[in-house]
Amino acid sequence: QLQLQESGPGLVKPSETLSLNCTVSGGSISSTVYYWGWIRQPPGKGLEWIGSIYYSGSTYYNPSLKSRVTISVDTSKNQFSLKLSSVTAADTAVYYCARHVAATGTRMIDYWGQGTLVTVSS
Amino acid sequence: QPVLTQSSSASASLGSSVKLTCTLSSGHRNYIIAWHQQQPGKAPRYLMKLEGSGSYNKGSGVPDRFSGSSSGADRYLTISNLQSEDEADYYCETWDSNSWVFGGGTKLTVL
Repeated sequence: QLQLQESGPGLVKPSETLSLNCTVSGGSISSTVYYWGWIRQPPGKGLEWIGSIYYSGSTYYNPSLKSRVTISVDTSKNQFSLKLSSVTAADTAVYYCARHVAATGTRMIDYWGQGTLVTVSS
Repeated sequence: QPVLTQSSSASASLGSSVKLTCTLSSGHRNYIIAWHQQQPGKAPRYLMKLEGSGSYNKGSGVPDRFSGSSSGADRYLTISNLQSEDEADYYCETWDSNSWVFGGGTKLTVL
């Protein structure tokens, strides 16, 4: 059974960098048939795709966040990571890691992590 | 970049059926989408992939009460024999090249 688990600080100060890890268990992050992504959800609001990565290291970012986002993968730890720089209160959200299918014409999310709340406050 | 439009809320009675709609923007009417369910206080859960033809594939463990259909740019999620645990937010998702987008979500209330 695939499991994705987010980890990282729950509180980040304004202007600093938010850093989260997602550890994948029950499956290999090096699989050629999946992407690995980050999605966030501000309190009481909808879902926003942040970015995704392929095991090879190819990255894809939401244009609205691209200047502040870095996603990386560590295949030796079966883990991928998110860094979001220069955070403000608007970045307060539950952050989810997820798996996307990487088949031709089919790219949907088919597994979600449980999510972790990150609050930006001094 | 496709845009997905969902009604903000819907309601239906226990034991009845409800049909939720996700509408694709102009020029993207043939796109495949996915439906996700988010129960209160929980992470989203993948329900199904739904094609423009109306063909759908459900995720593991998704009850038979959940089905999908399509008409033009509209993608539907039908829930039959509504149960209390179906009260949730429902999001549609689609993708274009290597970017992903979500609809605004529909809050379903089971009366």
